Amino acid sequence: AQSVTQLGSHVSVSEGALVLLRCNYSSSVPPYLFWYVQYPNQGLQLLLKYTTGATLVKGINGFEAEFKKSETSFHLTKPSAHMSDAAEYFCAVSDLGTGRRALTFGSGTRLQVQP
Amino acid sequence: DADVTQTPRNRITKTGKRIMLECSQTKGHDRMYWYRQDPGLGLRLIYYSFDVKDINKGEISDGYSVSRQAQAKFSLSLESAIPNQTALYFCATSDSSRGETQYFGPGTRLLVL
Repeated sequence: AQSVTQLGSHVSVSEGALVLLRCNYSSSVPPYLFWYVQYPNQGLQLLLKYTTGATLVKGINGFEAEFKKSETSFHLTKPSAHMSDAAEYFCAVSDLGTGRRALTFGSGTRLQVQP
Repeated sequence: DADVTQTPRNRITKTGKRIMLECSQTKGHDRMYWYRQDPGLGLRLIYYSFDVKDINKGEISDGYSVSRQAQAKFSLSLESAIPNQTALYFCATSDSSRGETQYFGPGTRLLVL
């Protein structure tokens, strides 16, 4: 079965600082990988995804993530944090192993941006 | 108008009551999902449906049932609600011909007393 580990349930950065949110996955086959963001009192919104091809993926709002197969990682980064980035972020992996294509989510990382 | 809608948005009920959460979508997607979100646990899959006649249990289906009334509608029922079903519930959709991206509704906040 697929699993996703997000290291750090809470991350705090200063405005303008680098954002790094970590995601590691377990999979017996190359997975599809996703990052979603959840703003307060809202549903989840797709930030970016990796399926095949280029391993550095760019998403919305200046975020990007790099798929590293050797490290089974898909960390999310942003060079300069904005106050509006404060939200909860979820990494997810598609369940390709069973062919059923459901998503397995990590437990989430809450990002706090300090002025 | 939102592509994925959920009703109600908030619900308070008592232990033992039967309740239904509804999800509708205008995206034309064939696949629909129900998740619950609990603090520190992320989202966990309850049920999913790949078309009207294909319904599957997720990792935490006990105590829940679903109905796919049409391609656009997917309902989640709690036959006899219990307090540990207090959570935020999300419906999601995806298009099997266009990859695995799921699109989420705004959520239903359920409190079982």
